[in-house]
Amino acid sequence: AQSVTQPDIHITVSEGASLELRCNYSYGATPYLFWYVQSPGQGLQLLLKYFSGDTLVQGIKGFEAEFKRSQSSFNLRKPSVHWSDAAEYFCAVGRIYQKVTFGTGTKLQVIP
Amino acid sequence: DVKVTQSSRYLVKRTGEKVFLECVQDMDHENMFWYRQDPGLGLRLIYFSYDVKMKEKGDIPEGYSVSREKKERFSLILESASTNQTSMYLCASSLYRAGYTFGSGTRLTVV
Repeated sequence: AQSVTQPDIHITVSEGASLELRCNYSYGATPYLFWYVQSPGQGLQLLLKYFSGDTLVQGIKGFEAEFKRSQSSFNLRKPSVHWSDAAEYFCAVGRIYQKVTFGTGTKLQVIP
Repeated sequence: DVKVTQSSRYLVKRTGEKVFLECVQDMDHENMFWYRQDPGLGLRLIYFSYDVKMKEKGDIPEGYSVSREKKERFSLILESASTNQTSMYLCASSLYRAGYTFGSGTRLTVV
């Protein structure tokens, strides 16, 4: 069965600092991988996705993620965090026409 | 931009009521999904549909049903609402390989 683990429930970073959110997955084949962001009271917005090819994926809002097959990981990074990045972040794995499984989320707090 | 519209942001219903949650997308997407979101549990898939009149059970279909009579509309039905169905419900749609577009969610409270 496919699964996603986001080991950090809550992360606090200072504005301007770098950010890395961890995601590990379990999947029987080459997965499609996604990162979504959710602002309070809102739906989820797609940040980036990986299907194949270059393992470093660029997304919106200055985010990037790296697919590491050997580690079954798809960590999200940003070199310099802005206060507006405070939100909850979800990693997801799956293939189209099959279900997509979401992690339990990581809440990001940004302090001045 | 694709828009996914959920008819209500907030709903309060009584135990035992039949509840309809409506979702409409405006970009001719084939695939539509219903998730519920609870703190600490992330998003859990209730039902999904890859075509009109087609439906598949997700991970937690018990107590729910769905209807997809038209491509743009995917309805979630709580046959007899219970307090453990109090949750945030999120609808999403997608095209092949495009990732999901989510609605803003419906926060349902069952009293």
